[in-house]
Amino acid sequence: DIQMTQSPSSLSASVGDRVTITCRASHSISKYLDWYQQKPGRAPNLLIYGASSLQSGVPSRFSGSGSGTAFTLTISRLQPEDFATYYCQQSYSTPWTFGQGTKVEIK
Amino acid sequence: QVQLEESGPGLVKPSQTLSLTCFVSGGSISSGDYYWSWIRQPPGKGLEWIGYISYSGSTYYNPSLKSRVTISVDTSKKQFSLKLSSVTAADTAVYYCARDLDYYTGGYYYRYFDLWGRGTLVTVSS
Repeated sequence: DIQMTQSPSSLSASVGDRVTITCRASHSISKYLDWYQQKPGRAPNLLIYGASSLQSGVPSRFSGSGSGTAFTLTISRLQPEDFATYYCQQSYSTPWTFGQGTKVEIK
Repeated sequence: QVQLEESGPGLVKPSQTLSLTCFVSGGSISSGDYYWSWIRQPPGKGLEWIGYISYSGSTYYNPSLKSRVTISVDTSKKQFSLKLSSVTAADTAVYYCARDLDYYTGGYYYRYFDLWGRGTLVTVSS
């Protein structure tokens, strides 16, 4: 199985901040990396697929980059509704696997 | 628009079989562009993919659960189902069904979960 490791596990930030979350894969996964946002009591919601493609309807302040084993999710200007947990997931080979999550909290 | 909704018992006894169904409304389950997945999340923990099925019945299960998992599809009822046998407390989780899209663009076949059900909490306890 491909192991996905996110860092940090949690972070505190203020509205308007630029936030970056890192995801590393145990093996090269090319561009097959997706990002999800999950709010408490809700299902995850797709933000980014293919490492850098923004899902329809997702605000442009979200962006993704990377390939191979290292990826980042960036929120350019953090908004109140962005406080949530973010997960990366590899879609290179089955079984699909997720990172452990990064919780973005209000500073 | 297309929606997914999980249904099934919220409480299962240890050693018994957990059974859940996901109903697809507002769209077709019989498209070759989609696979239909189950994903779970223990309380306060991360996400674990369980497996998927195509509309034609092809399946793939996570090896960590393969010996206990069966996923089936009923296209006439627009639903797919999960059975997990010999459950223990470690199987207590919110179970989500999700649409797993197979999308071709720019020379790549991308796969991602573009639609999720609300999730249903299943507790394993006597």
